[in-house]
Amino acid sequence: SAVISQKPSRDICQRGTSLTIQCQVDSQVTMMFWYRQQPGQSLTLIATANQGSEATYESGFVIDKFPISRPNLTFSTLTVSNMSPEDSSIYLCSATGGYGYTFGSGTRLTVV
Amino acid sequence: GENVEQHPSTLSVQEGDSAVIKCTYSDSASNYFPWYKQELGKRPQLIIDIRSNVGEKKDQRIAVTLNKTAKHFSLHITETQPEDSAVYFCAASIQGAQKLVFGQGTRLTINP
Repeated sequence: SAVISQKPSRDICQRGTSLTIQCQVDSQVTMMFWYRQQPGQSLTLIATANQGSEATYESGFVIDKFPISRPNLTFSTLTVSNMSPEDSSIYLCSATGGYGYTFGSGTRLTVV
Repeated sequence: GENVEQHPSTLSVQEGDSAVIKCTYSDSASNYFPWYKQELGKRPQLIIDIRSNVGEKKDQRIAVTLNKTAKHFSLHITETQPEDSAVYFCAASIQGAQKLVFGQGTRLTINP
């Protein structure tokens, strides 16, 4: 299965700023996703990153707050914009090449 | 859309005993059901998965059963060991075509 490199692994950011998280997959995959995981909670899907087109967002998540890019089949970015303390969470990317879903190591974001 | 319910939220068993975690799903089109183990501070790791054309799958001490009619699937861990302590998540998707939707998670504690 694919191996995903995600960075940064953690960051502490000031409120009102933005952070871009990157995921690089070691092989071509069909689909990439971005999840948020609050402490002690399950994984909540933010959006599906579509190659060469706009991402598909889940209910409660909007493009202005979480812009996503996927310029090719192996790379995607998630930006958390105009951050507030409520955005403090772990953000994970995921990918599938048709069988099985693998995850990046996550980005632990703290907004102060 | 798909909705996955997972029970129990916490489970404590004696070392050597068996543990069972149950999930139900809502979308009859779902055909792929993975189980993930997540240790503290780590990414979710796939431990076993099952497709809808199979009723049961086993890998050493871990087994998964699927009842398509009732739309539920279960994780069985036998001869539990302290290293089995973690949070376990079930998930469901239409393989290769759609997002992975997660259950709420089960915190499993193995007591020595």
